[in-house]
Amino acid sequence: DVQMTQSPSSLSASVGDRVTITCRASQSISSFLNWYQQKPGEAPKLLIYAAFSLQSGVPSRFSGSGSGTDFTLTISSLQPEDFATYYCQQGYSTPWTFGQGTKVDVK
Amino acid sequence: EVQLVESGGGLVQPGGSLKLSCAASGFIFSDSAMHWVRQSSGKGLEWVGRIRSKANSYATAYAASVKGRFTISRDDSNNTAYLQMNSLKTEDTAVYYCTRLVGAKPFGYYYYYMDVWGKGTTVTVSS
Repeated sequence: DVQMTQSPSSLSASVGDRVTITCRASQSISSFLNWYQQKPGEAPKLLIYAAFSLQSGVPSRFSGSGSGTDFTLTISSLQPEDFATYYCQQGYSTPWTFGQGTKVDVK
Repeated sequence: EVQLVESGGGLVQPGGSLKLSCAASGFIFSDSAMHWVRQSSGKGLEWVGRIRSKANSYATAYAASVKGRFTISRDDSNNTAYLQMNSLKTEDTAVYYCTRLVGAKPFGYYYYYMDVWGKGTTVTVSS
């Protein structure tokens, strides 16, 4: 199975900050990497697919990069509605696996 | 509007069974692969399994943690996917989400991702 490791597990930031979350796969997964946002009590929401393709309706302050084993999710200017937990997920091989999540909270 | 609505969750004793349903609307259900993902309280997301479309022989796949105990099926005539859970364990306690799988070809290959999620249904396994 492909193991996904996110860092950091949590971070504190302020509105307007640039936030970067990393995700590392235990083997090369090409660009088969998706990012989701989850707020408390809600289902996850797709942000980015295929490593850097922005899902329709997602603000352009979100961006993804990387390929192979190392990936990054960047929020260029953090907004109040962006405080949430973020998960990466590999779609390269079954079983699909998620990172453990990165919680972004208020500094 | 594309929508998924899960139902069937509840309290069940260890060793018991439960069947979850996922009612789909707003898209051509029969063309879509459907996945199940679960989340234990305060924990991360765990992929449970999936079922492909009729065109792909309704092929199923499962996480090792549920293989042999859980079965995913679908009824395309009623736009519904199911998760039959047998021999339940306390560690199966979680919110269970059904999701739709879609694919896109941004650069040469098909890339698949879960674009629509239901609100989830809670399963509690306890004596």
